[in-house]
Amino acid sequence: GNSVTQMEGPVTLSEEAFLTINCTYTATGYPSLFWYVQYPGEGLQLLLKATKADDKGSNKGFEATYRKETTSFHLEKGSVQVSDSAVYFCALRRGGSYIPTFGRGTSLIVHP
Amino acid sequence: GAGVSQSPRYKVAKRGQDVALRCDPISGHVSLFWYQQALGQGPEFLTYFQNEAQLDKSGLPSDRFFAERPEGSVSTLKIQRTQQEDSAVYLCASSLALAPQRGEAFFGQGTRLTVV
Repeated sequence: GNSVTQMEGPVTLSEEAFLTINCTYTATGYPSLFWYVQYPGEGLQLLLKATKADDKGSNKGFEATYRKETTSFHLEKGSVQVSDSAVYFCALRRGGSYIPTFGRGTSLIVHP
Repeated sequence: GAGVSQSPRYKVAKRGQDVALRCDPISGHVSLFWYQQALGQGPEFLTYFQNEAQLDKSGLPSDRFFAERPEGSVSTLKIQRTQQEDSAVYLCASSLALAPQRGEAFFGQGTRLTVV
């Protein structure tokens, strides 16, 4: 079946540090891959997505590249801010399906 | 409001009590989804509506769970005879897309249900 594995959190960084949150997946076929973010007290928001191998999704300084050979979709940001503190969820969705499979989420805490 | 609204934000229920959770989707959104998010886990799909039609309820964990969307807008998730394992955050999401695998789904803040 489909599954998503994210690195355990919390990830604690100082402002302006480089961020990587690892995500690997198991799926049949060619799924679309997503990162969602949940800020404190808010609902899940789509952060970025990639629909095919080697695609790079980007938004708000965050990037993730769809790597089929390593079945990975790691989230990166060059310089994090305190306002990036949130829980980040990696997810996949098989082609033609509307049901996403989410990872457990990784909490990011950024200190000034 | 502009976003998906869920109420109540928090609900404490005694075991065996029935609860009803409400979702107000974004106006005009055709597709509506319910998810269950246990503590420390990602959201898991419960059910999907296209307008008033419940097209998929494959994720509902038991027949104690029931969802409706009678007029194709507001939806209610009802849990009968609540059990402790029902404690979770219940998320609602809506999408403008008629084909729900297309387009972006917008999530509400969720209702945190605690069964004691």
